[in-house]
Amino acid sequence: EAGVAQSPRYKIIEKRQSVAFWCNPISGHATLYWYQQILGQGPKLLIQFQNNGVVDDSQLPKDRFSAERLKGVDSTLKIQPAKLEDSAVYLCASSRIGSNQPQHFGDGTRLSIL
Amino acid sequence: GQQVMQIPQYQHVQEGEDFTTYCNSSTTLSNIQWYKQRPGGHPVFLIQLVKSGEVKKQKRLTFQFGEAKKNSSLHITATQTTDVGTYFCAGGNTGGFKTIFGAGTRLFVKA
Repeated sequence: EAGVAQSPRYKIIEKRQSVAFWCNPISGHATLYWYQQILGQGPKLLIQFQNNGVVDDSQLPKDRFSAERLKGVDSTLKIQPAKLEDSAVYLCASSRIGSNQPQHFGDGTRLSIL
Repeated sequence: GQQVMQIPQYQHVQEGEDFTTYCNSSTTLSNIQWYKQRPGGHPVFLIQLVKSGEVKKQKRLTFQFGEAKKNSSLHITATQTTDVGTYFCAGGNTGGFKTIFGAGTRLFVKA
């Protein structure tokens, strides 16, 4: 089966600019996650979708971050405006529906803020 | 809120030595998952433990889930250079839809 696809792989922007990331989950996976992974740390959940509904966005900085999954498949994560502390790898993962299912991760987008 | 702590933060071993990483939760978990992230890569699912006291093996890797379902360990016997990477535990809350990742243990193996 094809894995989780993410783009772009790398992005460099200046602070206060905006940026968007795209994720296509594994076919049939109803649950989609966006994580922020700062160098040397574990993945931090930003938002979790089940189909096109939000299950958990408690750690999403909603003043600057937004995410959507309009048709319950692809998802986009946007940052506007970016801050220096947003430099990180943004990982998308997907899993089958059900409690605490194993997650399959994409290669991530490495974001650098200048 | 629920927290998952992992120790040690990093470990250096000589190839052939054993390695263990420990995971502790502030609350009772419904399950524990383990992932491996190679340098420059993304986390890859290794295994899930669900039952109290459960022990599972994958070749040289042994995974344990504590009796109280609040702690877990991953033990690697006779490490190899291919074991290099960061090992994360991820605890599932008893509500069933939330998984919290630990900070990971980074393993360095010297040949």
